[in-house]
Order: sequence, then structure tokens, then C-alpha cells
Amino acid sequence: GQNIDQPTEMTATEGAIVQINCTYQTSGFNGLFWYQQHAGEAPTFLSYNVLDGLEEKGRFSSFLSRSKGYSYLLLKELQMKDSASYLCAEFKGFKTIFGAGTRLFVKA
Amino acid sequence: DAGITQSPRHKVTETGTPVTLRCHQTENHRYMYWYRQDPGHGLRLIHYSYGVKDTDKGEVSDGYSVSRSKTEDFLLTLESATSSQTSVYFCASGTGDFNQPQHFGDGTRLSIL
Repeated sequence: GQNIDQPTEMTATEGAIVQINCTYQTSGFNGLFWYQQHAGEAPTFLSYNVLDGLEEKGRFSSFLSRSKGYSYLLLKELQMKDSASYLCAEFKGFKTIFGAGTRLFVKA
Repeated sequence: DAGITQSPRHKVTETGTPVTLRCHQTENHRYMYWYRQDPGHGLRLIHYSYGVKDTDKGEVSDGYSVSRSKTEDFLLTLESATSSQTSVYFCASGTGDFNQPQHFGDGTRLSIL
């Protein structure tokens, strides 16, 4: 994706907590999305941040710092079904620019 | 979930042949998008539409054209397919509002031999 950086792969253990980081360009920022994508499937919406701070949705939380151009997705109480790619995406006008995604492997 | 369907789901064709992928949405969304997804690149925007007959290029538009004759339908055409266009293609639709996510179709896996 255009100037959106996130790690390529991460591995974590079932029941643990994992944080997936994302940095983006701050110019023209309108919002930051996180999507989940299981192998062979379509991306599905997880969370959205437009203001600084933490948004919590059950086991998933997303944080944003606009001044630093930084976001993270926090997954708690990891389950095997959380093994997927996580896409950080920046909303620019009516278009969304996606990062290349982070593949998360959850091991028993 | 937005009702958005893509057809075909899989296609194998030969270099030089024309290919058309179809996207249909039932949410009356103004905006529709075509992406391709390749390993290491994530989702890249090919073309998008902001209304009937209104389309514009994305970051990887070369070799592709689109048409939108009705709100619910968005077609992607490869006029003369090349092996570099082998990819998974996703269609998405949305309201275009800053706090509303896009909704994706299930994708089309296209192989060009």
C-alpha cells in the first residue's frame, strides 16, 4: 500500500495478547480502518479510528495517534480462529488506501 | 452485511483474450471499487466509481477499463489479458462517508496462462 507500513508476519500463542502496529502518512488523514481477512476470503471490517485514543470492541481494540501517524490493533485472549491477515487502511476522501497486511499465526 | 456479489468466482483464460468481471450490490451504495490483491502488495485500487457513468482511475489502472451503467453494477474489463494480471480481484462498495467501511465481495481468482 501507499506509505502504510505494518509488519509482514507475527506469531502468537493461544490465550495471549498481540499488538499489530501500523504507520501511515499524516497528510490528508481522514480516518484509519482495520480489516480482518482469512485466507481465501474477503476482508471484513474490524474497527475505525478518527480521533486519538483507544477504541474497544470486545477482544479487539484499536489505538490511534494522529500526530505520530501511528495506529495499533490489539487482540486479547487469542483464539486459533484469529489466525488471519490484518489490514491497516487509511481513509482519504472517498478512497481507502490499504497496507500490505500482517499475517498473524496463532499457535496452540 | 452489504449484499455484494462477484462473478465469476474463478476463471482461467489465455493471454490476449478479453475478460469481464462483474460486481453487483444491493445496498444502493454510491461508490464502488475494484481492487487486485497480490502477495506482498495488499489491496491495490484499479478503478472506482462515484456514480452511474462516473468512474476514475486508481493506482494500477493500466490494462483495465470499467463501466457502471446502473447503481448496482460495476464491470471490470481486461481488454487483452496478460499473465501479469493473474491475481485475486475484489469488488467493494460504500457510502463514501469517512466513518463507514467498505464492504467487499468474495473475490474472483483469475489465472491467465
